[in-house]
Amino acid sequence: QVQLQESGPGLVKPSQTLSLTCNVSGDSISSGDYYWSWVRQHPGKGLEWIGYIYYSGNAYYKPSLKSRLTISVDTSKNQFSLRLSSVTPADTAVYYCARRVTGHFDYWGQGILVTVSS
Amino acid sequence: DTQMTQSPSSVSASVGDTVIITCRASQGIASWLAWYQQRPGKAPKLLIFGASTLQSGVPSRFSGSGSGTDFTLTINSLQPEDSATYYCQQANSFPITFGPGTKVDIK
Repeated sequence: QVQLQESGPGLVKPSQTLSLTCNVSGDSISSGDYYWSWVRQHPGKGLEWIGYIYYSGNAYYKPSLKSRLTISVDTSKNQFSLRLSSVTPADTAVYYCARRVTGHFDYWGQGILVTVSS
Repeated sequence: DTQMTQSPSSVSASVGDTVIITCRASQGIASWLAWYQQRPGKAPKLLIFGASTLQSGVPSRFSGSGSGTDFTLTINSLQPEDSATYYCQQANSFPITFGPGTKVDIK
């Protein structure tokens, strides 16, 4: 059974960098069959895709976040990570990691709430 | 970006009813459409992909149809556990975009 689990700080100060990691179990990131993704959800709002990465390290970002966003992969640990710099309260959201297969997301982590506040 | 709209934004229906949710893309997306169910406080769950293919383990009362720009999600014989918000998502063009969601309540 594929499982994804997000981890990281739940509180980040404005202007700092938000860093999250997604640990994958039950599947190998190195299999090359999927893109490993981040999706966020602002409180009470809809879903927003923000980026994904292939096991090779090729990453694709939502254009409006590209200047602040870095997604990386560590195949030896079977995990991938997100770094979002210069955060503001507008980046407060539940962040989900998910597995993307041929366009859709079939497995999701439980999500982690990250609050940006001083 | 391909904009996704959904209607209605919310619907209240009784157990056993049929609920139809529509999703429209601002440009043609062929069949690159997925539907998700999200219960409060939970992660989204994939229901349908490729516009009409039911994800393994999803009850057959859920069905999807459409292609191009207009799509529907139909929930037959609504059950109490179907109370949730439903999102459509397109993957035909970059970046991936989601619809705003449709909240389904049980009367």
